Amino acid sequence: SYVLTQPPSVSEAPGQTARITCGGNNIGIRSVHWYQQKPGQAPVLVVYDDDDRPSGIPERFSGSNSGNTAALTISRVEAGDEADYYCQVWDSSSVHVVFGGGTKLTVL
Amino acid sequence: EVQLVQSGTEVKKPGESLKISCKGFGYTFSSHWINWVRQMPGKGLEWMGRIDGSDSETNYSPSFQGHVTFTADRSISTAYLQWSSLKASDTAIYYCARRTLSGSGSYSDYWGQGTLVTVSS
Repeated sequence: SYVLTQPPSVSEAPGQTARITCGGNNIGIRSVHWYQQKPGQAPVLVVYDDDDRPSGIPERFSGSNSGNTAALTISRVEAGDEADYYCQVWDSSSVHVVFGGGTKLTVL
Repeated sequence: EVQLVQSGTEVKKPGESLKISCKGFGYTFSSHWINWVRQMPGKGLEWMGRIDGSDSETNYSPSFQGHVTFTADRSISTAYLQWSSLKASDTAIYYCARRTLSGSGSYSDYWGQGTLVTVSS
């Protein structure tokens, strides 16, 4: 089955740029989606189809996807961005949704 | 406004049965599949499977096949997740989420608030 690999944690100072990666075999040919989950809350979609944002998501959130790595980039990081972030793809061969293990973003 | 509203917290004993619900508002329930996602305490998101809101076709993750059952009643825009015999390891938060098709797959654009299920003797 398809596997997505994320770093367990990323730390960044306020105002800087945080980059969270999601590795997978030839992930660049798949559509990657990203979710933000704050403590005690349900996940929220922040990026879909590699680099599109749902309405209401700040432009500071952007995505990229190429080769074996997809990434979520958060510009001008704020304290309110502190959360767990999960990448997700659809594996058509198994007809299954696949989530990455999640990355905890800490704003220093 | 699209919303998914889930049933409330459950506390059960091992071996008991349980059925939790997820009701959709603000969209045509039969036009989307519903994904079910488990989150065990302190852990990440796990996809359990999905059910079609139009005809109740289902797909299960191998990790959950045979242990849970998805059903849906489109007349009341509600999906259900049920267990016939709970285990302590079923203790988790369970989320439903609306599935939307995308470029080469799908994503979950709206999520329920989650249902906490605690199984303890």
